[in-house]
Amino acid sequence: GAVVSQHPSRVICKSGTSVKIECRSLDFQATTMFWYRQFPKQSLMLMATSNEGSKATYEQGVEKDKFLINHASLTLSTLTVTSAHPEDSSFYICSASNRLAGGGRAQYFGPGTRLTVL
Amino acid sequence: KNQVEQSPQSLIILEGKNCTLQCNYTVSPFSNLRWYKQDTGRGPVSLTIMTFSENTKSNGRYTATLDADTKQSSLHITASQLSDSASYICVVSARGAQKLVFGQGTRLTINP
Repeated sequence: GAVVSQHPSRVICKSGTSVKIECRSLDFQATTMFWYRQFPKQSLMLMATSNEGSKATYEQGVEKDKFLINHASLTLSTLTVTSAHPEDSSFYICSASNRLAGGGRAQYFGPGTRLTVL
Repeated sequence: KNQVEQSPQSLIILEGKNCTLQCNYTVSPFSNLRWYKQDTGRGPVSLTIMTFSENTKSNGRYTATLDADTKQSSLHITASQLSDSASYICVVSARGAQKLVFGQGTRLTINP
């Protein structure tokens, strides 16, 4: 299956600093990438949809100025958590979308990034 | 409203036993349904994907079924192993929509 990587796998930062997380599709071109956040014992919550070459679409309640998304190429999207605070500590997962042979789309998830803000 | 509901919320079984997880959805128009396995601290990994015309799909010891009429799916795990301990998430895609609809997952624990 398709491979999606994330870097870093875990990061610890001080409150007030910014953290960048990279998401790469390794063996296919992804016109659309998604960023999710997952709190303990909960399912994934979509934060934003990122289309290559255009502005990301954010879900209700997600601050676009705090969670900056850049999708500069068909294989790379980045999420920057600006001025991070302890409540931003979470598991961030990206996914990349491609078309299935029979039509429709499939999403392939990255391994996730554990962010801890002290 | 598009929703996906899974049951049970959690399940504990002994190693070697079989189990079945349930998923009901109201997503329309339906495109496909996926079952994912998510180990703690890892991203979800796809187990099966089924479109409207498919009613069963197997991947090793995992067998998923789909009844598009009743909008129900199940994931059957045969001869469970300790490594099967994880969360299993049912995810449904609507035709023409980019966003996925996630179930809350079933937390499966396999005890020796």
